[in-house]
Amino acid sequence: GAVVSQHPSWVICKSGTSVKIECRSLDFQATTMFWYRQFPKQSLMLMATSNEGSKATYEQGVEKDKFLINHASLTLSTLTVTSAHPEDSSFYICSAKFGQDTQYFGPGTRLTVL
Amino acid sequence: AQSVTQPDIHITVSEGASLELRCNYSYGATPYLFWYVQSPGQGLQLLLKYFSGDTLVQGIKGFEAEFKRSQSSFNLRKPSVHWSDAAEYFCAVGRGGGADGLTFGKGTHLIIQP
Repeated sequence: GAVVSQHPSWVICKSGTSVKIECRSLDFQATTMFWYRQFPKQSLMLMATSNEGSKATYEQGVEKDKFLINHASLTLSTLTVTSAHPEDSSFYICSAKFGQDTQYFGPGTRLTVL
Repeated sequence: AQSVTQPDIHITVSEGASLELRCNYSYGATPYLFWYVQSPGQGLQLLLKYFSGDTLVQGIKGFEAEFKRSQSSFNLRKPSVHWSDAAEYFCAVGRGGGADGLTFGKGTHLIIQP
């Protein structure tokens, strides 16, 4: 099956710094990728839709200036959490669209902001 | 707006027993419905999906789900669970298409008793 990777799997940073998370489709090209956020013991919440070569579409309530998304190639999307604060600590999960009706998920990145 | 309800936060089942996980959705149009399983350290894995046609859908790992429009439900079933089925299970509805951003339920944590 199609594989999606994320890097890093775990990151700890100081408050006020920025953190970049990568999402890669390893064996297929993905024009569309999605970014989700998952709080402990909670559901996944869609943050934004990332389209290759164009601006991301953010869900209502998601700060686009805080969560910068870049989809520079057909296999890579990045999420940068700018000026991170403890409340940004969460599990960030990406997925990549495959074909017309399927998306494959990455293993997630756990962000802890001190 | 669409929503997904998984009324059971935790379910405990004995190994070898049957399983049913409940999912109710709210969506104005024909729903695209999914069940995913999440294991620690691994990405969400698609168990099965329903778009149209036969309302009883077969998936991987011996799982099946039945779409009931009249009850707005898409319950997941397995006739005999294995210890390896212990995981978090998420029901999701797709917006506008099978590989669009997904709205997830809060998940059901499945515990398998020996």
